[in-house]
Amino acid sequence: RKEVEQDPGPFNVPEGATVAFNCTYSNSASQSFFWYRQDCRKEPKLLMSVYSSGNEDGRFTAQLNRASQYISLLIRDSKLSDSATYLCVVKNTGFQKLVFGTGTRLLVSP
Amino acid sequence: DTGVSQDPRHKITKRGQNVTFRCDPISEHNRLYWYRQTLGQGPEFLTYFQNEAQLEKSRLLSDRFSAERPKGSFSTLEIQRTEQGDSAMYLCASSTEGGNEQFFGPGTRLTVL
Repeated sequence: RKEVEQDPGPFNVPEGATVAFNCTYSNSASQSFFWYRQDCRKEPKLLMSVYSSGNEDGRFTAQLNRASQYISLLIRDSKLSDSATYLCVVKNTGFQKLVFGTGTRLLVSP
Repeated sequence: DTGVSQDPRHKITKRGQNVTFRCDPISEHNRLYWYRQTLGQGPEFLTYFQNEAQLEKSRLLSDRFSAERPKGSFSTLEIQRTEQGDSAMYLCASSTEGGNEQFFGPGTRLTVL
């Protein structure tokens, strides 16, 4: 079983739709949580960190449920430019390495 | 451009050959990381340096792989006796000591024929 699990998708949505991605992690020592975005054949880039209280950045909202070891990302009013792979990422206590999920592919169509 | 840079961007080699990749981190970042990414997967951690010290190393890093960061600035990743299974994107990232965000370079795409 992978340490970080995501539905690979693809999620096909029309412009303007709201879409949610979920992710589960298995290591209870995970202390930091992130969503990275990766465009096709490009490097991953940090989209947002995820905090226990939940956090929002424009159209993007991230939630963390430590009890259920579950992370979510909500994208409102999808744009064509949101088409990408969204990687769920954790960092465990005492380690610097990032542990990535396989990514969820999002395709936003006109 | 003050981001992470990697060289070469693409490398095609024959099975059994040795290859070496270079990563130049963001100049004030003392932490440097190597990851490997295959198609349809997220990046997998290989190794991590703080300055010139190699502090974490994945089980994925077999005896054929070696990484160095001799002066605490740029780093090299060498793969000896390449195998077809080594074909992947090799990503380098850097961060500051207190920072949570790792900044990734564009990667070196390795194809082993």
